[in-house]
Amino acid sequence: EDQVTQSPEALRLQEGESSSLNCSYTVSGLRGLFWYRQDPGKGPEFLFTLYSAGEEKEKERLKATLTKKESFLHITAPKPEDSATYLCAGRAAGNKLTFGGGTRVLVKP
Amino acid sequence: DTAVSQTPKYLVTQMGNDKSIKCEQNLGHDTMYWYKQDSKKFLKIMFSYNNKELIINETVPNRFSPKSPDKAHLNLHINSLELGDSAVYFCASSQRTGTDTQYFGPGTRLTVL
Repeated sequence: EDQVTQSPEALRLQEGESSSLNCSYTVSGLRGLFWYRQDPGKGPEFLFTLYSAGEEKEKERLKATLTKKESFLHITAPKPEDSATYLCAGRAAGNKLTFGGGTRVLVKP
Repeated sequence: DTAVSQTPKYLVTQMGNDKSIKCEQNLGHDTMYWYKQDSKKFLKIMFSYNNKELIINETVPNRFSPKSPDKAHLNLHINSLELGDSAVYFCASSQRTGTDTQYFGPGTRLTVL
């Protein structure tokens, strides 16, 4: 069975304190590793898709990387507006996404 | 301008009732999905439709029945609601099946009393 595990469950950062979120996956025939951001009371907002080991993508203070077993979301010099839950999902055939439980990030000013 | 919209935003109802949640997307996408997010925040896929045809049907009770009148709409009807059905339900859409990013709606919080 496909499985995606995210750690830590929660992360408290001071503004400017860089950190990384981990996403471990076992998804048969992985066809993409997705990162989403979810704010309270809202739907997940797409951030990145990674397809192959070694691939990296960046958007503002966020950078996602992929290995054969894990993906990392690095947050560089975070700001309070980066506070959200970050969700990782692996896609198998048929566009079925398997989500992890998310990492709740709180950035304090 | 909302890409994927859902109604209602909140739904509070008694056990045993029947309710529907509606979803519409204006992105011109061919594929739509229903997900359930439980209290532990795990998002799990329930159904997927491609051009009005059911293509993913996870292990979901028969009380849940999706209906797609056209490729821009995917509704979720739930019969005989139970306490365990309380969750947030998200609709999503993608350009095609198999290769494309899924875009999510704002969610419907269902509370069964």
